[in-house]
This record gives sequence, structure tokens and C-alpha cells, in this order.
Amino acid sequence: EVQLVESGGGLVEPGGSLRLSCAASGFSFTIAWMNWVRQTPGKGLEWVGRSRSISDGGTSDYAAPVKGRFTISRDDSKNTLFLQMNSLKTEDTAIYYCTTFRYSSGWFADTWGRGTLVTVSS
Amino acid sequence: QSVLTQPPSVSAAPGQKVTISCSGTSSDIGNNYVSWYQQLPETAPKLLIYDNTQRPSAIPDRFSGSKSGTSATLGITGLQTGDEADYYCATWDSSLSVVVFGGGTKLSVL
Repeated sequence: EVQLVESGGGLVEPGGSLRLSCAASGFSFTIAWMNWVRQTPGKGLEWVGRSRSISDGGTSDYAAPVKGRFTISRDDSKNTLFLQMNSLKTEDTAIYYCTTFRYSSGWFADTWGRGTLVTVSS
Repeated sequence: QSVLTQPPSVSAAPGQKVTISCSGTSSDIGNNYVSWYQQLPETAPKLLIYDNTQRPSAIPDRFSGSKSGTSATLGITGLQTGDEADYYCATWDSSLSVVVFGGGTKLSVL
């Protein structure tokens, strides 16, 4: 069964840091591109960034609101994706989803984790 | 404010058909493929449609997608109460090199 399980969410003060993890199973993580997507409570979806597979360069791309503050990394030996979040702001409060980033003719996210809630508040 | 424009809500009776629109520009929908996601209450989004018109094998053919120019449409026939959910469109923005989502549409099956 293809599965993504996020962890690491919690309450953090503005300006603080948090590291999210996403454990993948049931598919070949080493060749997979991966996404982070977030959802502000009661609102819509927002793309955070994506991670290319190591064989495709291993680099990451980010949305403007998080660029320079968030870093996506991966440990292929543990089938795990990470999201390091620094200089957190109240507007970063959201449920953070880990997803696959598949490409056919266009991109799509065919597998989603259940999400982990990050609350930034003093 | 979302890059892709969706109606905030749509409604229809059980058994009827509904369509949800998603409007963009030449930088996003106009030159890229669209995917659609269903988010049932208190759950994570689920892929419904990819590459404008393709359904994953587990998705029933009551769900369909189409694209014309800078707009895309999700169609749902034979509406069921279990279809009540939020629906999101998404695509790649070639100018910004980012993924963009619509603001979401809440479907009510009355």
C-alpha cells in the first residue's frame, strides 16, 4: 500500500523553528519527486515546495512566501522527506501535507499524507 | 487570493449533474495540464483527475474533466450525498515556476 505519514507538527512561537518529517512506503521513494502543500484552517490549499529525486539533481523549489525560510531535504536511505521551517510567522499556521509529485503529461499529486498541524502563536 | 479562480460554492440535487469551473491565464492553465482534487470533510485531498481528463483507476466515471483555452471544468454526474466535499483545481505556472491551486469550491448535494 502506498502511504505517506507526516509527523513533527506542534505549537511554536513566532520566530521559532520546526522540522517536519514524512515517512514514505509502498513505492520507490528514491526516484520520486515529492511536494509539501499546506492548508490554512478553513481555507484553501497552498503549494510550499517540491524536492527532485537525487537522480534528477536532488534540488528543491519553493513558493515565494517561504523561500529563504523553509528547506526541503530527503534521506533516501530512510524513505523520508523533511521540511525545515525557520523564522516562522503566524501566517505559517496550517496543516502541512506531504504528497508525491508525479509527472505524466502534466504534474499531479496522486498520494497525500494525512497532514500534520503547525500552529505558530505566542 | 488564489491564482486560479473557482466559484466558492455550487449545489445540486441527488442524481443531478454539476460542473465546477477553474479559470486561469496563459501562464498556467493555458499552457499546462490541470489536475483536480476532492477533499471530504476532515480528510486529506484526494486526486480525482490528472492531465486534464484522466481518472485514476479507483475514481468512478461519474467524474470527468475537460479543458479549453485558459479554463478547465470538473463534471460530476449522478450526484450522491457522499460527493459533498471541497474541490480544488491545480496546475503549473510556467512564468513563476510554481504549482498553483484554485481557491476551492464547496459542493452541496441538497
